Amino acid sequence: GDSVTQMEGPVTLSEEAFLTINCTYTATGYPSLFWYVQYPGEGLQLLLKATKADDKGSNKGFEATYRKETTSFHLEKGSVQVSDSAVYFCALITISNFGNEKLTFGTGTRLTIIP
Amino acid sequence: DSGVTQTPKHLITATGQRVTLRCSPRSGDLSVYWYQQSLDQGLQFLIQYYNGEERAKGNILERFSAQQFPDLHSELNLSSLELGDSALYFCASSVDTGRNSPLHFGNGTRLTVT
Repeated sequence: GDSVTQMEGPVTLSEEAFLTINCTYTATGYPSLFWYVQYPGEGLQLLLKATKADDKGSNKGFEATYRKETTSFHLEKGSVQVSDSAVYFCALITISNFGNEKLTFGTGTRLTIIP
Repeated sequence: DSGVTQTPKHLITATGQRVTLRCSPRSGDLSVYWYQQSLDQGLQFLIQYYNGEERAKGNILERFSAQQFPDLHSELNLSSLELGDSALYFCASSVDTGRNSPLHFGNGTRLTVT
């Protein structure tokens, strides 16, 4: 079945450090890929998405490129801030043979940025 | 603010009891999803409704049920509660069911079963 594997956290970085959170997936067909972010005490928010191979999603300084050859969608940011501290979820949507879409999440990676 | 409202924010109840969680989707969104988030299982998809009809089912237990009403709000009913049902329950909504339609999540209902 479909699955998403994220690097395990927690991840702790200093402010202005470079961030990479790895995400790989297993899916049939051609999924759409997403990163969601959950700030403390809040629900999940869509951070960025990519719907086909080689697409790059970007938002708030974060980027992720849909790599079909390596089945990956790694999240990157060049210079993190304390306000980026949150839990990040990689996710994918696939369409079943019956036309139903299925959204699958990774387990989440907790990121803490220290001043 | 995502526009998705979940009530109550916190719920504490005893084993064997039944509770109802409520979700009001974002204005204009026809699709509602329910998720369970726990430390050991991560985010688990439970069920999806679209315009009042069940659209997709995930890892939802038989003790759990949901429905979406004509005004598009949704309720998740959890019965015969067990300690392991303690979790954060999220509702999300989207405009339609398309793969390019982003989900907007509520802030969740934290359920504690004692």
